[in-house]
Amino acid sequence: GENVEQHPSTLSVQEGDSAVIKCTYSDSASNYFPWYKQELGKRPQLIIDIRSNVGEKKDQRIAVTLNKTAKHFSLHITETQPEDSAVYFCAASSGGTSYGKLTFGQGTILTVHP
Amino acid sequence: SAVISQKPSRDICQRGTSLTIQCQVDSQVTMMFWYRQQPGQSLTLIATANQGSEATYESGFVIDKFPISRPNLTFSTLTVSNMSPEDSSIYLCSVGLGDEQFFGPGTRLTVL
Repeated sequence: GENVEQHPSTLSVQEGDSAVIKCTYSDSASNYFPWYKQELGKRPQLIIDIRSNVGEKKDQRIAVTLNKTAKHFSLHITETQPEDSAVYFCAASSGGTSYGKLTFGQGTILTVHP
Repeated sequence: SAVISQKPSRDICQRGTSLTIQCQVDSQVTMMFWYRQQPGQSLTLIATANQGSEATYESGFVIDKFPISRPNLTFSTLTVSNMSPEDSSIYLCSVGLGDEQFFGPGTRLTVL
């Protein structure tokens, strides 16, 4: 089955700096890669996603890049703000009989210091 | 997206008992999923619950321990049976809308 590795496990930045979180996946059939933000005590919220036919996607201060050859994808947050502090999870999903099944990375605790 | 609710939001249970968690969606969806999130950990898929078919369980999860119902396109239940303290976790349902998946608020279960 799919295996998703996420790094780093914790990330501390100053407000205004950029933050980058990286994930690798094992199943070359995976074709959908979402990122979730989970604040303490809250549900995971989908913040951005990318599909395998796209190399990069941007939404305001967040962007995701995908390298299918290397089987890795990354989340980039620019101009970080204290409200960006949360746990971020990457995930991967493939089609076929596994359609819709998400395999999650271990999570990254992001702390943005004012 | 979709509006997803879960009941109960939290519970404290005694070992050996069972708890049924309900998940309600405000629109009809084909794909629903149940996840477990142990304290400080990531999310692990328990099973896929599609209406009209038996739930499909992931490795390490069995129907006798986590029976699931999916009576219609807006509702599902997950039962945690014969609970032990190791079952203390947050249980989340999610719904699939195309590729995207949206989560319910979760049920925080503590087993004493």
